[in-house]
Amino acid sequence: EVKLLESGGGLVQPGGSLRLSCAASGFTFADFYMSWIRQSPGKAPEWLSFIRNKANSYTTEYNPSVKGRFTISRDDTQNVLYLQMNTLRAEDTAIYYCAKHDIGTTGAYWGQGTLVTVSS
Amino acid sequence: DVVMTQTPVSLSVSLGGQVSISCRSSQSLVHNNGNTYLSWYLQKPGQSPQLLIYKVSNRFSGISDRFSGSGSGTDFTLKISRVEPDDLGVYYCGQGTQYPPTFGAGTKLELK
Repeated sequence: EVKLLESGGGLVQPGGSLRLSCAASGFTFADFYMSWIRQSPGKAPEWLSFIRNKANSYTTEYNPSVKGRFTISRDDTQNVLYLQMNTLRAEDTAIYYCAKHDIGTTGAYWGQGTLVTVSS
Repeated sequence: DVVMTQTPVSLSVSLGGQVSISCRSSQSLVHNNGNTYLSWYLQKPGQSPQLLIYKVSNRFSGISDRFSGSGSGTDFTLKISRVEPDDLGVYYCGQGTQYPPTFGAGTKLELK
């Protein structure tokens, strides 16, 4: 069974940083592309970033809305996906999900999410 | 970015009834490789979204045949037949053909 468990969310002041983690299990993590997607209350999901697998040189893509502030990375030895978030703004307040790519979709499986609140 | 427009915003349905949700994209979702990366998701209250349909009309693992997807190019439809209580929530369409991937604003399915 595919399991994705996010952690690292919390309350942070504007301008601050957070690093989110996503522990994956139930599949060969190293083989798959992985994404971060967020969802503000009452809003549609917003795709943020994805990272390819080793076979594709771990290359990354970012939504322009977070490019330059957020960095995605992965540790295939630990089956963990990361999202480093810097210079956080109030509008970054959302639930952050990690998601497994498969069968031509960025969101074949989603974690339960971790809440990030940016407020003074 | 590709804008995904879903209609209606909300739907009321009786148990056992049938509903259709429309999703239109601002650009064709046909990829250079010939695939059309249009997916449908259901977000039940308090849960994360779950994949229902991928590449327009393919049901994801474990998804009931009461759910069906159709369409091409820029116009897509999700049909749900014999609606059950567990089908209630917000439905989103999403595209992965063009970067960045984008989602529709959602359609809330409620009981009449």
